[in-house]
Amino acid sequence: DGGITQSPKYLFRKEGQNVTLSCEQNLNHDAMYWYRQDPGQGLRLIYYSQIVNDFQKGDIAEGYSVSREKKESFPLTVTSAQKNPTAFYLCASILLQSGRTEAFFGQGTRLTVV
Amino acid sequence: AQRVTQPEKLLSVFKGAPVELKCNYSYSGSPELFWYVQYSRQRLQLLLRHISRESIKGFTADLNKGETSFHLKKPFAQEEDSAMYYCALSGLGYSTLTFGKGTMLLVSP
Repeated sequence: DGGITQSPKYLFRKEGQNVTLSCEQNLNHDAMYWYRQDPGQGLRLIYYSQIVNDFQKGDIAEGYSVSREKKESFPLTVTSAQKNPTAFYLCASILLQSGRTEAFFGQGTRLTVV
Repeated sequence: AQRVTQPEKLLSVFKGAPVELKCNYSYSGSPELFWYVQYSRQRLQLLLRHISRESIKGFTADLNKGETSFHLKKPFAQEEDSAMYYCALSGLGYSTLTFGKGTMLLVSP
């Protein structure tokens, strides 16, 4: 079954802890993105990666870190430096091609700080 | 910089009424514009792209470069159209995909 998978679906974190959200795709896409979805804020770009071993900060990268060691995987770490981490996080695998550009989204991870 | 603006957070209409979800963009080059939809408990997914000039589920959207708009329209709304709709833009080199804040469409019987 091809697609993009995020895990876990729900995640609880104590204040001061780092947590890592998983994102895996088997679509053979070079580009992978992390977005944060908050009510009334839409989708805000955290980090993105166009190719293995390379990634770029998005609009709200502070308090987050990523790695891209494999084409299939783009994990996001929410660090203790992120002041308001409770949110819904969406990972996307993106086909970037003129006339065919399309983002394929995971089902999301809801992170709650307790 | 590229920016997408969706001025309405919520649009509420009755079944059978026409629907127009507004989207304006800011980009200096030639963008690709998209509409994505998120139905309740489902993944965010592509609805349509301007370059295809197609109608999906009765929805159409025309890119107006003069007004920098890409409004989504449907002549007769259905209850199953109720969802969150996001306008998105891909810019030069297709380096990033920027989304608007979204509009919740509620279609009442």
